[in-house]
Parts: sequence; C-alpha cells; structure tokens
Amino acid sequence: DAGITQSPRHKVTETGTPVTLRCHQTENHRYMYWYRQDPGHGLRLIHYSYGVKDTDKGEVSDGYSVSRSKTEDFLLTLESATSSQTSVYFCAIRRDSSRNQPQHFGDGTRLSIL
Amino acid sequence: QKEVEQDPGPLSVPEGAIVSLNCTYSNSAFQYFMWYRQYSRKGPELLMYTYSSGNKEDGRFTAQVDKSSKYISLFIRDSQPSDSATYLCAMRGRSNDYKLSFGAGTTVTVRA
Repeated sequence: DAGITQSPRHKVTETGTPVTLRCHQTENHRYMYWYRQDPGHGLRLIHYSYGVKDTDKGEVSDGYSVSRSKTEDFLLTLESATSSQTSVYFCAIRRDSSRNQPQHFGDGTRLSIL
Repeated sequence: QKEVEQDPGPLSVPEGAIVSLNCTYSNSAFQYFMWYRQYSRKGPELLMYTYSSGNKEDGRFTAQVDKSSKYISLFIRDSQPSDSATYLCAMRGRSNDYKLSFGAGTTVTVRA
C-alpha cells in the first residue's frame, strides 16, 4: 500500500464547470505526479511536483493547473472542463528513500464531463 | 510514432500457459524499465523493476531487457486466472524528475 488517497473516486460534471481533484499521501515524499489514462494512450503525464510550491508541466498539461501548498496534498484543477478531459486520473508518488525508486499509484478518479 | 509501443492485445491463454508480453521503444536514453499490473478499476501496481540490460526473475515473473534492440519483455509462467489484468510497460532515463513513459498496456485473460 503506497499510502495514496484520491478524492473523489467518481465525478460527473458539465462542460465549462471548474473541477478539482485531490491526491493525499501519508508518507511525505517530495515527488508527486498526475496522469490521465485513456484507451489506446496508456498513462500520460499532466503535471508533477518536486516539493511544496514546486511544480512543472508534463506532456498533456494544457487545460490543467496544479497546486501543492502542503507536502501531503497535490491538487489538480480543470479551470473550465471540456468533454475531451473525460478520463481516469491517477496520482503517483515516488518514495524518497533512494534515487532509483519507481512510482507508486493511487486507485484513480473517474471523471465524466457531459 | 509513440516513444513506447506495446501491443494492446487482447491476449487470452489457458491456465498454466506461459504469457509473453513485450514493448519496444525509440529513446536510447531510457535506463530504467518497469512492468505494472492493473486490475479493472484499480491503479497500476508495480510488478518488476529493472535497470539496463539483462534478466530479472521474481517468482513466476521474469523481466528481460535488451537495450541493443530497444526491446523489453515480461514472461509469466504457470499463469493463473488471478493474472488476468492489463500489463503496462514503463521506462525512464536518468533525469532527476523521474518522469515515466508508458506503453498503452496489454490486456491479458487467463482462462480456467
């Protein structure tokens, strides 16, 4: 168990509304990541964080913003949701115990934009 | 062309068979290679983690990396119905951000 909790687990909302997804970790690791998973594309990185207030873009960052005001929480915001952002969103952490630790994932948030 | 290519399957095998999965990649900077298993409606779970070329064995699972051919494989021996899942390959280079590149995943069904 990687100690990652994602909330909400499911959400249905309408086009144009703001949406915020939360990732909470219990182990205080520096690196946290947000991915989206779509059929045929695998997991694609949206944004990642390497510390409080330190974030950077991934390959599919357009339309998304992130914030990290506490080590344990990493928030993903869709400022104005579009149907193309319907997806399953996963948060991941990388344990700090050594340089070469792999990433561990939460159980995801299923987001539907109608 | 995608950086990591993985045949999506689906792959269906009888219980006890050997499952063979593979990925090819184009970025010669990749040094670390992972296989994740993902059950339906769950997050990816790390299965195998290897560095550079060679074989690594863990119980019924064997991971192979051939950097000269840019090709990685995962073998599952004596497959069980509980091995039915989607298998994702992932890899990264040496950079400090630890960003991963994933294959699209192969869906495997082991028939009892």
